[in-house]
Amino acid sequence: EVQLVDSGGGLVKPGGSLRLSCAASGFTFSSYSMLWVRQAPGKGLEWVSSISPNSVSMYYADSLKGRFTISRDNAKDSFYLQMDSLRVEDTAVYYCARQSVEGDYDYVGGTYQYIYYMDVWGKGTTVTVSS
Amino acid sequence: EIVLTQSPGTLSLSPGERATLSCRASQNINNNFLVWYQQKPGQAPRLLVYGASRRAAGIPDRFSGSGSGTDFTLTITRLEPEDFTVYYCQHFGDSPPYTFGQGTKLDIK
Repeated sequence: EVQLVDSGGGLVKPGGSLRLSCAASGFTFSSYSMLWVRQAPGKGLEWVSSISPNSVSMYYADSLKGRFTISRDNAKDSFYLQMDSLRVEDTAVYYCARQSVEGDYDYVGGTYQYIYYMDVWGKGTTVTVSS
Repeated sequence: EIVLTQSPGTLSLSPGERATLSCRASQNINNNFLVWYQQKPGQAPRLLVYGASRRAAGIPDRFSGSGSGTDFTLTITRLEPEDFTVYYCQHFGDSPPYTFGQGTKLDIK
């Protein structure tokens, strides 16, 4: 079964740190880009960070201002989100997700295009930042 | 950054009716980059439609996506009780940020 299991959430004081983990199973983890998405209480979804299959490319939401670091260990089929200098506004459920891609040939333009989506999600881990 | 605006914020309908959810982008986007998700309370989002109109595996054919340019639509024909929840659109392009709309809540009338 294709599955992602996220963990590591908890209660932390402002300024503190947490490390979230996401363990993958049922697919070739090293072939996929992976992402973190968060959802503050009662709010919508917010993309947080992404990492390419070989860790060459890592991206972050501007709102994080360099406080979070994404990483992965393909030997362990896992990836991580190190969260430092946590703020009250970082309180949210954090979901890990798999990025899948399909190719589509555009016969009109004569180009190959890619279609991206998140098709596998973890159940979410809750991070609460409060004094 | 692409901003996605979903409307209405809340849509009240009855089972068996047809739902039309809108997602408007702040600028023209590639159709391939528009994705729809469903999220039930306490659960992770579930992929419904990608590439604006491609139904994900296992999604019933009462769900369909359409649109181009700046205007995209998720249509749910013959609403079932389990369809009454929240729906998000997302711009998922070649490079981040991968923005979401603010969501549309589908309520039972």
